[in-house]
Amino acid sequence: DGGITQSPKYLFRKEGQNVTLSCEQNLNHDAMYWYRQDPGQGLRLIYYSQIVNDFQKGDIAEGYSVSREKKESFPLTVTSAQKNPTAFYLCASSTGQGAREKLFFGSGTQLSVL
Amino acid sequence: AQSVAQPEDQVNVAEGNPLTVKCTYSVSGNPYLFWYVQYPNRGLQFLLKYITGDNLVKGSYGFEAEFNKSQTSFHLKKPSALVSDSALYFCAVRYPGSARQLTFGSGTQLTVLP
Repeated sequence: DGGITQSPKYLFRKEGQNVTLSCEQNLNHDAMYWYRQDPGQGLRLIYYSQIVNDFQKGDIAEGYSVSREKKESFPLTVTSAQKNPTAFYLCASSTGQGAREKLFFGSGTQLSVL
Repeated sequence: AQSVAQPEDQVNVAEGNPLTVKCTYSVSGNPYLFWYVQYPNRGLQFLLKYITGDNLVKGSYGFEAEFNKSQTSFHLKKPSALVSDSALYFCAVRYPGSARQLTFGSGTQLTVLP
């Protein structure tokens, strides 16, 4: 899992609660990403950030928010607007451009609803 | 839009036998194609990628993949499977010049039987 740390490993959310998933990398990568993994659906892109203080919505951004105040950190907040948050969340970062680009993943956070 | 399909949810193979995990991609230009592997409760690990050149790409852990433009396929192969190869395998695609990150297939669970 390289130099990407996700915490916590397991997280439980109560109804109407916002929760924040942490992602920290020490690889000096500019780009960072959040994916959601559901059984049988592969990975779907939530948000991505190509540079500090900038981020873009992915395919399923509704009900989520992010910030990128530091190069090393890209936290994901799952808001109460996300009605089906139970999933495995993966953070990734990438190095290089175009053909040389390569994704490195953290070990994931399993979010469940109480 | 870039997309990949993994037609098999599950592949079972006996240890020592050759294995193939299938992937096809949507036709649009010349894509970059990737294979990643995921072990239980872990992030994804890069196996190999095709950018251009030789259609047979060799990657980590003895895996290889063959790019077939006429069939729009990028199947993952290994001549002799190991029990430790049992994992979830993802094919992914990205088109050059696209602002989007990788688009992943739905995954194929490979089980190697002793």
